[in-house]
Amino acid sequence: GAGVSQTPSNKVTEKGKYVELRCDPISGHTALYWYRQSLGQGPEFLIYFQGTGAADDSGLPNDRFFAVRPEGSVSTLKIQRTERGDSAVYLCASSLGRESYEQYFGPGTRLTVT
Amino acid sequence: GEDVEQSLFLSVREGDSSVINCTYTDSSSTYLYWYKQEPGAGLQLLTYIFSNMDMKQDQRLTVLLNKKDKHLSLRIADTQTGDSAIYFCAERDSSNTGKLIFGQGTTLQVKP
Repeated sequence: GAGVSQTPSNKVTEKGKYVELRCDPISGHTALYWYRQSLGQGPEFLIYFQGTGAADDSGLPNDRFFAVRPEGSVSTLKIQRTERGDSAVYLCASSLGRESYEQYFGPGTRLTVT
Repeated sequence: GEDVEQSLFLSVREGDSSVINCTYTDSSSTYLYWYKQEPGAGLQLLTYIFSNMDMKQDQRLTVLLNKKDKHLSLRIADTQTGDSAIYFCAERDSSNTGKLIFGQGTTLQVKP
């Protein structure tokens, strides 16, 4: 079946602009995670959704970052007033539920802020 | 806080075994994982081990867990050039969310 998909695959934006990154989880997966991977580093947790609600947003770096999942499926990560330090690969992962131990990742969106 | 550490680089010859090591800090982690990342690609779940196990074998992959020393290793038998990638160790957070804490990755270079 289809895996986790993310769009766009690449996004170049100017400092100060607003961006939206989209994640389509595997069908039927209720748990959705966003991670950020900076160059040469491992992914770092940003936010976790169980269904429609953000159950843990402790990894969001500041209030410029926000994510939604209004219908419990597709999620959008929104970044306001982008800064050059936001440049990274943003990864989305999904799993069957919070108790499921297998997390499947999408290919990521590479964000470059100029 | 939680931390996962890996060596940064490993080079082996094709056909040799590769051993990638990882240490973690959260003794209450329930699952530990190995993910593979090829250039420009996302993370591929390779294998995982439950914390009450010492070893798990899956074809060419063997995972060893030393819970006392909080040490995890991944052995790849008969390493092939297609195994060249970055390998990430991760621990499942002990909170209720299931989020993963990753190491910074080990780059495996396989020479023909």
